Amino acid sequence: GAGVSQTPSNKVTEKGKYVELRCDPISGHTALYWYRQSLGQGPEFLIYFQGTGAADDSGLPNDRFFAVRPEGSVSTLKIQRTERGDSAVYLCASSLTGTGGDEQFFGPGTRLTVL
Amino acid sequence: AQSVTQLGSHVSVSEGALVLLRCNYSSSVPPYLFWYVQYPNQGLQLLLKYTTGATLVKGINGFEAEFKKSETSFHLTKPSAHMSDAAEYFCAVGGNNRLAFGKGNQVVVIP
Repeated sequence: GAGVSQTPSNKVTEKGKYVELRCDPISGHTALYWYRQSLGQGPEFLIYFQGTGAADDSGLPNDRFFAVRPEGSVSTLKIQRTERGDSAVYLCASSLTGTGGDEQFFGPGTRLTVL
Repeated sequence: AQSVTQLGSHVSVSEGALVLLRCNYSSSVPPYLFWYVQYPNQGLQLLLKYTTGATLVKGINGFEAEFKKSETSFHLTKPSAHMSDAAEYFCAVGGNNRLAFGKGNQVVVIP
């Protein structure tokens, strides 16, 4: 069956530009997560959706970052006025219910490079 | 807050030797614990997880981990390393709507 997919796989942009990263979760999974992985580090939590609503956005680093999931399936992570420090791999994951012991299934990630 | 400590970013192991990756966690509630593996140019894949019950957990590819509450540890082991085990391994603690990951161990298998 289809896993979590993310597009684009790579994105190169210039400082100050706006970018959108897309995530297609596993069908039927109500929970969706975004993480950011910098070089040499483990993934760091950004935001958690339960259905259409952002249940926990405490990991977003500042107000340049925003994410939506309007129909409870596909999600888009939006970054305004990109900075070089935003360069990282952005990972999306989904799980069936969002409870603590649920396995989170990860996509391959989008590698964002800000020049 | 929950957190995980993984020491030793790079781990070298001879083919056929024991693989041991250490993970210590901090959690104010009973933890859910996970080990994920990341092969080059691939997404994170679950190796095994502990939620409740038996403290020795068996996973895919011959890996296992033991939850030791008294030591706040969840170390990952495999009796005999294969070349295909070369990858990055992440320990994570779950709860509070997220996973908190350690920094990872890059495992190199020496023929």
